[in-house]
Amino acid sequence: RKEVEQDPGPFNVPEGATVAFNCTYSNSASQSFFWYRQDCRKEPKLLMSVYSSGNEDGRFTAQLNRASQYISLLIRDSKLSDSATYLCVVSSGYSTLTFGKGTMLLVSP
Amino acid sequence: DAGVIQSPRHEVTEMGQEVTLRCKPISGHDYLFWYRQTMMRGLELLIYFNNNVPIDDSGMPEDRFSAKMPNASFSTLKIQPSEPRDSAVYFCASSDGGGRGRETQYFGPGTRLLVL
Repeated sequence: RKEVEQDPGPFNVPEGATVAFNCTYSNSASQSFFWYRQDCRKEPKLLMSVYSSGNEDGRFTAQLNRASQYISLLIRDSKLSDSATYLCVVSSGYSTLTFGKGTMLLVSP
Repeated sequence: DAGVIQSPRHEVTEMGQEVTLRCKPISGHDYLFWYRQTMMRGLELLIYFNNNVPIDDSGMPEDRFSAKMPNASFSTLKIQPSEPRDSAVYFCASSDGGGRGRETQYFGPGTRLLVL
């Protein structure tokens, strides 16, 4: 079983739509969780951390379910500029990160 | 801050040649990471350093790969001899550590390597 699994997509949505991505992780000892964003032919960049209580940053909401070992990202009111690949990232509590392969989002006019 | 700097940005070489990738981390960051990204395997950690010391190189695919960090502001990843299956985007990232796993990693723009 892969350590971090994501639906590769692509998710094709119109502007203004709400879209949600899920990710599952296999290591129950994982302690820290993140979503990174990667634009086409660019480097990954941190989008947001994911906390057990759930957290929101503008149009973006992240949730963590430790019992089921999954993480979600909800994007409301999608913009064209949200088109990117979203990487689910897990840490065991040390300095290394384990990345999922990413979910591609395409937002169309 | 200039961010993480990598060179070259693109490299095309022939099978059997030596390839050297370079990275300058963000000043003050004490962790440096080398990753490889392919469509098939995604983003994989190859090796990481803490205070210039290699901590975990279990991700290095084989002996053809080697990495060094002679000082806090410079690291190299070398492939010798290179093979077509090494074609990928190689990213360097740095963080200011703490060892708690919550720190942000900042990635360089990557080196696109094509081995013919």
